[in-house]
Amino acid sequence: GAGVSQSPSNKVTEKGKDVELRCDPISGHTALYWYRQSLGQGLEFLIYFQGNSAPDKSGLPSDRFSAERTGGSVSTLTIQRTQQEDSAVYLCASSPWTGRDYGYTFGSGTRLTVV
Amino acid sequence: TQLLEQSPQFLSIQEGENLTVYCNSSSVFSSLQWYRQEPGEGPVLLVTVVTGGEVKKLKRLTFQFGDARKDSSLHITAAQPGDTGLYLCAGAEETSGSRLTFGEGTQLTVNP
Repeated sequence: GAGVSQSPSNKVTEKGKDVELRCDPISGHTALYWYRQSLGQGLEFLIYFQGNSAPDKSGLPSDRFSAERTGGSVSTLTIQRTQQEDSAVYLCASSPWTGRDYGYTFGSGTRLTVV
Repeated sequence: TQLLEQSPQFLSIQEGENLTVYCNSSSVFSSLQWYRQEPGEGPVLLVTVVTGGEVKKLKRLTFQFGDARKDSSLHITAAQPGDTGLYLCAGAEETSGSRLTFGEGTQLTVNP
């Protein structure tokens, strides 16, 4: 597709369950980013993939969070044993090689609610 | 501690008024970007500035990057209801690769 696609758009899960969030970046974009946004807040960096390099995981808040990017394209963010504080909108973005020059293209996000 | 401080956090004005939003930091950025986000959507890139002192204009929007590349401003002339949204600044530090750090945003409401 022409844009960044995220699924599901909404997810309600029970505390303690695992969830997987999917991101389909723009074809040809080598960089992929995950951020999360709490209500009315700015974006908190989670993880960044650049081509075949090791991902920058410095923003992951705990070892319950993990992400992978298969074949340099689709990415999955997994949250294990979800907690109520994990409730947020999870945003995925992609960019050509240098996002700092070309900017990010964001998906519409996955709204995660942990009850 | 927030790396990028945006002010004001909330702004409610009448159609036709002018406004300025500020983005400040103690860090130097190699580039700085402004995004606009509407409810239920991801942020959309408005502009990228890379040179200290740079000024860019996008119709009624004027963006300025500080001389020391630590701050930026967004000025909107004759605001319209369609300008309503969350405005986010985002900076790339020299050592952060392609990763951007975002401010907390300014929620702008333009009333008809």
